[in-house]
Amino acid sequence: DAGVIQSPRHEVTEMGQEVTLRCKPISGHNSLFWYRQTMMRGLELLIYFNNNVPIDDSGMPEDRFSAKMPNASFSTLKIQPSEPRDSAVYFCASSSPGTSGSVQFFGPGTRLTVL
Amino acid sequence: QKEVEQNSGPLSVPEGAIASLNCTYSDRGSQSFFWYRQYSGKSPELIMFIYSNGDKEDGRFTAQLNKASQYVSLLIRDSQPSDSATYLCAVINTGGFKTIFGAGTRLFVKA
Repeated sequence: DAGVIQSPRHEVTEMGQEVTLRCKPISGHNSLFWYRQTMMRGLELLIYFNNNVPIDDSGMPEDRFSAKMPNASFSTLKIQPSEPRDSAVYFCASSSPGTSGSVQFFGPGTRLTVL
Repeated sequence: QKEVEQNSGPLSVPEGAIASLNCTYSDRGSQSFFWYRQYSGKSPELIMFIYSNGDKEDGRFTAQLNKASQYVSLLIRDSQPSDSATYLCAVINTGGFKTIFGAGTRLFVKA
């Protein structure tokens, strides 16, 4: 089975531009998470969805960030307008609650550089 | 106080030694605990999970949980250079939906 798929793997953009990151969770998983990782702040949870519904978006830094999950197999994280401080690796992860206690499976990440 | 705390390291051990990684958490109602390994430039991957007080062993890895002390640890026996990575402690909070990650401990295993 394919794991979590993220695209693009690398994104370089200029300040002020819109950035859209994409994620396809593992088939059958009903929870999806977006994280941001930097050296300074570590791995931060931005938002998570359960059954396509946003449950907790308290980690979203500000209104420039938005996330959607229109169906069980696709999610997007959008930054508009982007700023240099948004430069980070963005991970998507999915999980399926069960006896394994919500183990999360991470995608390969998108490395975002905002110039 | 951070919700999940780990010593950032780096922790350096010689090949063949036991590496001991520690983590404390603040939410007393937490029920599920995880250790993830992250190689440089890669994504985190699960090593072990533990729910009950005591030890859980899987090959060279042993997770230890003490809920009274709000403490979880990971022991790596017979450490190998390939174990060199950042180890992330993760805790699912009371309510069962949100996973909180620690900042991670960098481990170096010297050949």
